[in-house]
Amino acid sequence: GAGVSQSPRYKVTKRGQDVALRCDPISGHVSLYWYRQALGQGPEFLTYFNYEAQQDKSGLPNDRFSAERPEGSISTLTIQRTEQRDSAMYRCACGGVSGEQFFGPGTRLTVL
Amino acid sequence: GENVEQHPSTLSVQEGDSAVIKCTYSDSASNYFPWYKQELGKRPQLIIDIRSNVGEKKDQRIAVTLNKTAKHFSLHITETQPEDSAVYFCAASRSDMRFGAGTRLTVKP
Repeated sequence: GAGVSQSPRYKVTKRGQDVALRCDPISGHVSLYWYRQALGQGPEFLTYFNYEAQQDKSGLPNDRFSAERPEGSISTLTIQRTEQRDSAMYRCACGGVSGEQFFGPGTRLTVL
Repeated sequence: GENVEQHPSTLSVQEGDSAVIKCTYSDSASNYFPWYKQELGKRPQLIIDIRSNVGEKKDQRIAVTLNKTAKHFSLHITETQPEDSAVYFCAASRSDMRFGAGTRLTVKP
């Protein structure tokens, strides 16, 4: 596809369950970023990768959150033992060599 | 880490007027400053960006200025139209990217 895709688009889960959110970036884009966006707020940086290497994970809220990008393309953000406060829109963005980022449609996570 | 502040949080203008949104950043090493437009229920869309080696950039009705010394940058929209109504986010980046809290712009016809 031409753009960034994410799946699922919506995820409803019960507190305590693990969830895995997927990002499929634009082909050839080296950098991949994960953000969390609360309603009415700007995207909050979580982590980013160059190729398969995780460069910065300082934005991950706690150790229940992890991300991987094993082959330098698709990435998965995993949240273990979900809590209600994890409910948000999770967006990935991929970047070209010039630094610009293109956002995916997001996964809206609701933790009941 | 980087901290980006954005003002105002809401802005209402009459169609045809200009709109200005301002941001400040804290990390002097940041070197890339994009602006995103986000319409309700949609993803942020890059509308213009500027790098630290440039002071101003213009694209039709949109312009961005950067003052590295003062660590602030601004978005200027001229001849506003109702379809410019959206939330606008500034961001500052060195490697990671930090966003401002957003400005809700309303253009009244």
